Amino acid sequence: GAVVSQHPSWVICKSGTSVKIECRSLDFQATTMFWYRQFPKQSLMLMATSNEGSKATYEQGVEKDKFLINHASLTLSTLTVTSAHPEDSSFYICSASDHPTGDPYEQYFGPGTRLTVT
Amino acid sequence: GDSVTQMEGPVTLSEEAFLTINCTYTATGYPSLFWYVQYPGEGLQLLLKATKADDKGSNKGFEATYRKETTSFHLEKGSVQVSDSAVYFCALAFNDYKLSFGAGTTVTVRA
Repeated sequence: GAVVSQHPSWVICKSGTSVKIECRSLDFQATTMFWYRQFPKQSLMLMATSNEGSKATYEQGVEKDKFLINHASLTLSTLTVTSAHPEDSSFYICSASDHPTGDPYEQYFGPGTRLTVT
Repeated sequence: GDSVTQMEGPVTLSEEAFLTINCTYTATGYPSLFWYVQYPGEGLQLLLKATKADDKGSNKGFEATYRKETTSFHLEKGSVQVSDSAVYFCALAFNDYKLSFGAGTTVTVRA
């Protein structure tokens, strides 16, 4: 099946620094990638949608200057949390879609990245 | 806005027991509905889906029927196994393919 990896799986950074999270589709071309954020015991919240070669589309309330998304190739998207603060601590999850090749409703999810800002 | 509400867990069952996880939604219009499952240490994966009213999605012994009248999409399995232990997420999407998830229900099946 389609595999999506994320790196790192967990990261601790100091307040004010930036951290980059990678999302890779290992065995398919991801035309669209999604970034989610999950708080403990809460649902996944969609942050942004990115299409390869285009600027990301951010959901309402998500600061695009704080959460920089780059989808430079069909197998890699990155999320950079800039000037991180403790309230940015969360579980970040990416997913990828190979639509129109595949089912438009099926997203393939990465295992997530735990970010802790101290 | 559009939202999904699913029963809170955790749910603990014995092997071969019947499993039901309730899911209801609020949406303007008629979304497609999904159940995703997350096994320990893995990413979410699509379990089943239904794209219109009265459709039944099924996979791996799990079933869910899209009920427009009750705006529900309850997940059921007649006889669970230890390997079904996971977190289950109900979700909806419209034609923009953006998923809105419920909070997830943790299911533990004991041998």
